[in-house]
This record gives sequence, structure tokens and C-alpha cells, in this order.
Amino acid sequence: QVQLVQSGTEVKKPGASVKVSCEATGYTFTSSHIHWLRQAPGQGLEWMGIINPSGVSTSYAQKFQGRVTMTRDTSTSTVYMELSSLRSEDTAVYYCARPRVGDTRDFENWGQGTLVTVSS
Amino acid sequence: DIQMTQSPSSLSASVGDRVTITCRASQSISNYLNWYQQKSGKAPNLLIYAASSLQSGVPSRFSGSGSGTDFTLTITNLQPEDFATYFCQQSYDVAVTFGGGTKVEIK
Repeated sequence: QVQLVQSGTEVKKPGASVKVSCEATGYTFTSSHIHWLRQAPGQGLEWMGIINPSGVSTSYAQKFQGRVTMTRDTSTSTVYMELSSLRSEDTAVYYCARPRVGDTRDFENWGQGTLVTVSS
Repeated sequence: DIQMTQSPSSLSASVGDRVTITCRASQSISNYLNWYQQKSGKAPNLLIYAASSLQSGVPSRFSGSGSGTDFTLTITNLQPEDFATYFCQQSYDVAVTFGGGTKVEIK
């Protein structure tokens, strides 16, 4: 079955960067886009961007342009999301998610989430 | 960005009740509307896609309707495991956006 397994909890200081990984199993890695979303404590969900693992194409939410980078490693079926210049407002659970089919944007599979805490 | 407005933000209901949650988009999104259930500390779970299509494995007491700007999620015969937070999401735009959520609590 499809599984997305994310890296563990991170604690960072303001101004630092964080890199979260998402290892995909149970399907052909290059056949599905992967999206990154986040959820601040007690808040709703916020889309950050998308990466196409079959190539190098990415698209980022305007809010994160210049601060976020999404990459992938096909040899390990892993995608990465790096967020730089962290501030306290970036404290959130970060999720990777896979669409139900093709290039739809309804998310059938989710990682377990990675808590990133930004605190001095 | 397309704004998604959900109502109510919370509600109290009893087992066996019928519950209705609404979601309004700031512009027409055709039927590109999805519903998720999220339980505390867990990732969201897709319930309904394309406004009214039931995701595989989801109980038939969940249903969705609507098109354009106004959408509804209905839960009939509410079960104990349905107490959770529900989110709508538009997938019309590549920059998907979510409603603020509706927390369904036990009365």
C-alpha cells in the first residue's frame, strides 16, 4: 500500500533553515506529484507547493517564494522540503501529500506530519 | 487566492443526528471541491472529492453536494467515530486553499 513516511520533529532557532524529508513507497515514485502543506497549531491547512518527481518542475505558493525549495532523490524515492529564514510563525506541522490520481489536487495519501518548532 | 469560508466553525450533535456543514468559495470553482476529516494529532483523511464522489472506503453516511460557489457536506446517522474536524478544500486553482474547519463535538 502507498505510504509516505516523514522525518522527525525539528526544533530550530529564528533565522535558521529546516529540511523535511518524505519517503514514498508502494507506488512508482515518478508517477505522482507530491505536495507540501502545513498546519499551524490549532489552525487550518496551508498549501506550500508541489514537486513533480519525474522531472525538476516545482511550483511554490507566492507566500513562500524565495524561502522554500523542494527537491527529490529518485534513488531513494524521497522528496525534500527546505524552508529558510525561519520565524516563529513557521511553527507548524508540515505534511507531504499525494493526489488521488494523476495531476488532480485532492489528497488521498498523507505523511504522518513533521512538527517544526521555531523558538529562540 | 480563492477564499473558502466554512460554517459553522463548530457544532454540537448527538449520535444518530444528521449534520450539515457548508462551504462557500469566493469565486466559481465548478465541482473542484473536496472534503476531509481530521482527528486530533493525525493527518487529514479524504472523504469526498469532486464535490460529491465518495472516496473509496468512506462510509456511505457521508455525502457531498453543490457546484459553483456553494457546497455542503452531510453526515447522516452520526457515529461516535465521526466526532472530528472537517475541512473543505478547493482544487480548482493549483494553489489549493482550505476552509477554516468545522469541529463536530459531542452534545
